[in-house]
Amino acid sequence: EAEVAQSPRYKITEKSQAVAFWCDPISGHATLYWYRQILGQGPELLVQFQDESVVDDSQLPKDRFSAERLKGVDSTLKIQPAELGDSAMYLCASSRDSPNTEAFFGQGTRLTVV
Amino acid sequence: QQQVKQSPQSLIVQKGGISIINCAYENTAFDYFPWYQQFPGKGPALLIAIRPDVSEKKEGRFTISFNKSAKQFSLHIMDSQPGDSATYFCAASIYWGTGANNLFFGTGTRLTVIP
Repeated sequence: EAEVAQSPRYKITEKSQAVAFWCDPISGHATLYWYRQILGQGPELLVQFQDESVVDDSQLPKDRFSAERLKGVDSTLKIQPAELGDSAMYLCASSRDSPNTEAFFGQGTRLTVV
Repeated sequence: QQQVKQSPQSLIVQKGGISIINCAYENTAFDYFPWYQQFPGKGPALLIAIRPDVSEKKEGRFTISFNKSAKQFSLHIMDSQPGDSATYFCAASIYWGTGANNLFFGTGTRLTVIP
C-alpha cells in the first residue's frame, strides 16, 4: 500500500540551529501539504504545494521557515534558526488534484528544540 | 482564526456506548467535511467524510450527521469499543477550480472507551 514517507521520525535540535524535514508523497499526488501539530491540538497548515508551485503559505513564518518542492515530487521543510516554540509534530500529507479527495498523512517528524 | 470549532476536547465512554463529537464552521464555501482518526505517534487517517448535499452518511459503526443551515456536523460512534480510543479531528475542505483542496482541521477530541 502506498504511503507518505517522512524522515526523520524524531529530531532533537538546539535552539538557533537549523533543522530540515523531508517528505516523499504518494506517487501521482500533485498536492502536498505541510502541517504543524502542537501536542493536544489539531494540525495547522503551514504550506501547500500543487506540483512545484506554492498555492498557500499564508501561515508559514517566512522569517525562519522555508519549503520547497523543486521537481514537484518530494519536499523539504526547513527551519532556521529553530526556536523553543517550534517543538511540535510536523506532518506531511498528499492528495490527488480532484474535488473532495482524501489527504493521506505520513507518520510525522517529532521535533524537540532544547 | 479557527476555521472549524470542535467539541468536546475529551470524551470518556463506556464500551458499547455512543460517542458523539460535534463541529461547527462559518465559511459556507467549504464543500467537503472529513473526519480523521489519529492514534498516538501516527499521522491522522481518514475515517469517514460527507458532502454538504447529504444530511447523513453511515459506514459501519460510524455516522456523520450534517446540518447545512446550522453549519454544524457531528460524528457518532455506535457500540464504542476500546480500540476506538484515539483522537478524532473534524475537518473542512474547499476545492479550488485549479485542482487543489485546502483542508482545515478542528482542535481534536480525545476519546477514551472504558472496557
